Amino acid sequence: DVKVTQSSRYLVKRTGEKVFLECVQDMDHENMFWYRQDPGLGLRLIYFSYDVKMKEKGDIPEGYSVSREKKERFSLILESASTNQTSMYLCASSFAAGFTGELFFGEGSRLTVL
Amino acid sequence: AQSVTQLGSHVSVSEGALVLLRCNYSSSVPPYLFWYVQYPNQGLQLLLKYTSAATLVKGINGFEAEFKKSETSFHLTKPSAHMRDAAEYFCAVALTGGFKTIFGAGTRLFVKA
Repeated sequence: DVKVTQSSRYLVKRTGEKVFLECVQDMDHENMFWYRQDPGLGLRLIYFSYDVKMKEKGDIPEGYSVSREKKERFSLILESASTNQTSMYLCASSFAAGFTGELFFGEGSRLTVL
Repeated sequence: AQSVTQLGSHVSVSEGALVLLRCNYSSSVPPYLFWYVQYPNQGLQLLLKYTSAATLVKGINGFEAEFKKSETSFHLTKPSAHMRDAAEYFCAVALTGGFKTIFGAGTRLFVKA
């Protein structure tokens, strides 16, 4: 069964803390994505990666960075968390080949910044 | 630029009634269209996708959607709602060769007994 695993389901952090959200997929997918989900806004793309060590900004990259050192792992980093980054974060992966296919999602990481 | 509009943030139906969730998209070229479902405290999973084959697409759990180019719509339907269908549903669009999927704001489906 295909699997995208996010390291933490729930996190509570304080303003200014550095936050790491990790995502691992076991499907040998080339593409990996980080989305942010907020009520009434749907999913918004933060960053994506189409290969190891490659990354591209999505629609809302400000305040975030990413790391992809291995094909199966894609990390989202909040260098200095702020309250407006309280949200649900979803990791996804997909096959390459022009990306016309299905996204496979993890169960999400709900981050609260106090 | 692509965009997706889902009409109605909340839809409530009785068990056994027809489910209709509306989605309209804008795209300068023929897109790939998707419906995803999110059950409480879970990630999203694919219900169905349109990739320029048949315009009527059948998905999992009895759902189907029809691609209507003239109306730029991709509405999701199910003839008879079940309690287990209560979830949030997202319509999404992607272009060939691109790496971005654009999601609608979501429609939460409530099913009344």
